[in-house]
Amino acid sequence: EVQLLESGGGLVQPGGSLRLSCATSGFTFSRYAMNWVRQAPGKGLEWVSGISGSGGSTSYADSVKGRFTISRDNSKYTLYLQMNSLRAEDTAVYYCAREIGPVGYDYFDYWGQGTLVTVSS
Amino acid sequence: EIVLTQSPGTLSLSPGERATLSCRASQSFSSTYLAWYQQKPGQAPRLLIYGASSRATGIPDRFSGSGSGTDFTLTISRLEPEDFAVYYCQQYGSSPYTFGLGTKLEIK
Repeated sequence: EVQLLESGGGLVQPGGSLRLSCATSGFTFSRYAMNWVRQAPGKGLEWVSGISGSGGSTSYADSVKGRFTISRDNSKYTLYLQMNSLRAEDTAVYYCAREIGPVGYDYFDYWGQGTLVTVSS
Repeated sequence: EIVLTQSPGTLSLSPGERATLSCRASQSFSSTYLAWYQQKPGQAPRLLIYGASSRATGIPDRFSGSGSGTDFTLTISRLEPEDFAVYYCQQYGSSPYTFGLGTKLEIK
């Protein structure tokens, strides 16, 4: 059974940093691109960042470029999102999502349950 | 960036009725790269349709997708009580991937 479990969310002050993790199981992690998608309270879905199965290719939404870094450890079956210089508008539930292929430009077939990040003083 | 506009914002229908949800893109793209997701309160999104018209595993056949170019449609032929949720379209053919703002399907 495919499982994605996010962790690392919490309350952080503006300008602070946080690192999210997404632990996976039930599939060969390195064969799939992975993504982070966020949802602000009461709002829609926003794609944040994606990474290829090998980790060699990454992409970011303009809203987080230069502040967030996506990475993965294929030996640990874990996806990460390092978030720096956090702003109030980064407050959201962050979901990790598996992309059906290894290199991108595919749909998301499995999602985690999300972890809440709150940026507030 | 491809902007996806979903309409209506809210759709009020009764169980047993037919629902038609629209997703219009700011520029044309291959239907290969259009997906629909369902999200219920407090839950993660769930994949319904990919490639504009292919049902994901385990999705009932009352859900169907169609469209091409800039206009895509999700149809639910006969609404069941569990279908009342928010529906999002997504394009994954160009970066950044984008989602529509969603259509809330509520019980009338």
